[in-house]
Formats: sequence, C-alpha cells, structure tokens
Amino acid sequence: ETGVTQSPTHLIKTRGQQVTLRCSSQSGHNTVSWYQQALGQGPQFIFQYYREEENGRGNFPPRFSGLQFPNYSSELNVNALELDDSALYLCASSQKEANSAKNIQYFGAGTRLSVL
Amino acid sequence: AQSVTQLGSHVSVSEGALVLLRCNYSSSVPPYLFWYVQYPNQGLQLLLKYTTGATLVKGINGFEAEFKKSETSFHLTKPSAHMSDAAEYFCAVSVNSGYSTLTFGKGTMLLVSP
Repeated sequence: ETGVTQSPTHLIKTRGQQVTLRCSSQSGHNTVSWYQQALGQGPQFIFQYYREEENGRGNFPPRFSGLQFPNYSSELNVNALELDDSALYLCASSQKEANSAKNIQYFGAGTRLSVL
Repeated sequence: AQSVTQLGSHVSVSEGALVLLRCNYSSSVPPYLFWYVQYPNQGLQLLLKYTTGATLVKGINGFEAEFKKSETSFHLTKPSAHMSDAAEYFCAVSVNSGYSTLTFGKGTMLLVSP
C-alpha cells in the first residue's frame, strides 16, 4: 500500500471524447508523474508536475495535459481520444530533492482506460 | 537518452529454483537503477534500487541485484522461487537531469510452476 490513490479504476470512453483521471499523492510528496502503460509494454513517461508546474514531458501530444493542485493531487486530461489511448494510466508520487533522479517513485494502482 | 532492455518477455521456473531476470541499460551519464514488480491489476511496487555505493543491492522478498558497470547490467536474482513471486518485473533507469523520470524496459513475466 503506497498511499497513492487513483480514480476511477476503470473507464470506458468512445473515440473523440475527453477524459479526466485523478491522482491523490502520498502524504508529504510534492511531485507527481504520470505514465501510460499499453498492454504488454512497460510504462512510458507522460509528464511530471512539481509545485503546480509542469516540470518535464515525454513524447506525448498536447492533447495530453495535466494539473497539479496546492495539495499536490493531480489530474491527467486527454482530449480527442483515440483508440491507441487505451491503456493503464499510472500516477506516481515522490518528494523532489536536490538529487532527484534517485528518489523513489510510489505508484498507484492505475486507471484502466478503454477507448471504443 | 537512456534505455533499458529486458531479455526474455517470459521466464518460467519451478518452485524452489533460482530466479534470474536480465536487465541491460544504456546511459551516457551515471544511472540510477530500479526493479519494480507488478501483480495483476495492481500498480508497481519497488523491489530494490541502486544509487551509489555497494554494487550488490538487496531488496524485499529475498530479491537482490548486482550493478555491473562494465557490462551495463543490473540483473535481478532470487535463490529460491516461491509461487507468490509470479508477477511481471520491470527494470528502470533514471538519470540526473532537469527532472527525474523513470525509463522502463518492456517487462518480464515470471511464471512459477509447482
């Protein structure tokens, strides 16, 4: 049990719709990262938020956007859904420090999104 | 940019046998290395990590991994497999940049038979 909670656990949408996924980070953590895990693949980094600002981004189009709130919880928004967006979306929280690359990221159980 | 290669999408062992899951990485700067485990319908759980210092790292559930810089490897081992070890295992690398992120391999599914 990591203390990172995600909602909803499952979601079904149709192509072209918009979706919002939510993440509550572990107490004391100020950084949230989002990953997309397609079936049979490893997680791929979408973006990271630190103190309500986007702190880094992977190779995902602008229709993937996010927010981080003052309590460090976060949202992932995906517009104009495509079939290939079907995946498990994982949120991870961590405490950003000077040498942040070695910080442990704690993962939630994920939201499984199916796009029909 | 960094990358991770996990050899073998599936590894099958018998209960009590040695577990060896292979991970090779590519990085132009000193890496930090992680192994995560994912049970069905769950998120990722950290098994162990290498940052600096001792190259043999011990983790939870009897797993350990050895960082070998000359071989750019970070293989995961466990002397005796247990049925409860059946899961998917991911090796990941992180480097110091403007932000920290994990680059994962494609994962290895460990199957344990009685």
